[in-house]
Amino acid sequence: GDSVTQTEGLVTLTKGLPVMLNCTYQTTYSPFLFWYVQHLNEAPKLLLKSSTDNKRTEHQGFYATLHKSSSSFHLQKSSVQLSDSALYFCALSDWTGGYKVVFGSGTRLLVSP
Amino acid sequence: NSKVIQTPRYLVKGQGQKAKMRCIPEKGHPVVFWYQQNKNNEFKFLINFQNQEVLQQIDMTEKRFSAECPSNSPCSLEIQSSEAGDSALYLCASSLRGYNQAPLFGEGTRLSVL
Repeated sequence: GDSVTQTEGLVTLTKGLPVMLNCTYQTTYSPFLFWYVQHLNEAPKLLLKSSTDNKRTEHQGFYATLHKSSSSFHLQKSSVQLSDSALYFCALSDWTGGYKVVFGSGTRLLVSP
Repeated sequence: NSKVIQTPRYLVKGQGQKAKMRCIPEKGHPVVFWYQQNKNNEFKFLINFQNQEVLQQIDMTEKRFSAECPSNSPCSLEIQSSEAGDSALYLCASSLRGYNQAPLFGEGTRLSVL
């Protein structure tokens, strides 16, 4: 079945540094990918989405490019802020046999002063 | 603001007790999902609906979990006989129909089974 892999469980950075959170996926269908952010005790919120190959999509300073050739959709930001500390989930839309969204295991980003 | 409303926010049950949680999806969203987020923050898909019809559900849901989305009433997820391993955050989400539609999540119901 479809799957999403996030290799980093925890990323710790100092404020102002760039970050890249890895996401790779496996699907036999045309992929539609999402990034969600979940702050402590809050609902997961959509950050980015894309299905267009090699096109950068941006929101709130974060950006990602879907690369179908490498099955990747890495999340990046050029300068992290303290408020970016949160859980980040990569997810894949799966319409096979019904409809669900498959989530990766998540990456916790901790930004220090 | 668009919102998915989940109640209660916190639920404490003893082992073997029933646990029921509710979800009001975003207005106009026909698709509703239930996910379980465990202590390692991993998402496990449980069941989803389109209007009142079940689209897909996992085996676990079929055996001890029951869920419904009746017309003009909140959706609900009920665990018939709670187990310690059911302690988790239960997230409800809704979306428009279409594989490019991102689910909109509620804040969840945190279930503790003592």
